[in-house]
Amino acid sequence: EPEVTQTPSHQVTQMGQEVILRCVPISNHLYFYWYRQILGQKVEFLVSFYNNEISEKSEIFDDQFSVERPDGSNFTLKIRSTKLEDSAMYFCASRGYVATGELFFGEGSRLTVL
Amino acid sequence: SQQGEEDPQALSIQEGENATMNCSYKTSINNLQWYRQNSGRGLVHLILIRSNEREKHSGRLRVTLDTSKKSSSLLITASRAADTASYFCATDGKGAQKLVFGQGTRLTINP
Repeated sequence: EPEVTQTPSHQVTQMGQEVILRCVPISNHLYFYWYRQILGQKVEFLVSFYNNEISEKSEIFDDQFSVERPDGSNFTLKIRSTKLEDSAMYFCASRGYVATGELFFGEGSRLTVL
Repeated sequence: SQQGEEDPQALSIQEGENATMNCSYKTSINNLQWYRQNSGRGLVHLILIRSNEREKHSGRLRVTLDTSKKSSSLLITASRAADTASYFCATDGKGAQKLVFGQGTRLTINP
């Protein structure tokens, strides 16, 4: 069964360092998302991406964040200068041909900022 | 904001009992979805109910939607220890491409 894959599963970084989280969405999906979940808390929307551009972003997704789909398969989230409060689980998700419907999530990348 | 709120925040029942979780939301929606998350894992889609539907079943899951009250419930019948997880409702708002998640209900099934 097709699945969304994310790497790394866990990354530890120093405050101020750049981090890139990688995702391979399901191959024929058109809509891509990043969400984050601070430990034990709600799942928060960061950004949605369609047709090679950001379609919507939240207040959390400030200038320190960027997304890219550099080729036909990868979808990356970059945090330019990490802060302690960026420590969270980051989930990539994708959707098929319509903007509504089921989201398929990866297993997440745990980011720890020291 | 569109975000949903769920109650209870935590629910602990005995295996074999039914578990009911509720979700409320604020804006007009295209559909409402329920997801499950095992500890430390990704979210897994359980069921989707469209705004023009009132009830939907899938195996031991039953979802209801009341758009006049902007609320939904998820019923898991004949619970099993393996149902232990967090359950989230999520709404697909009209005109939006994103899903907005509620706070979640942590369900514990005691053997």
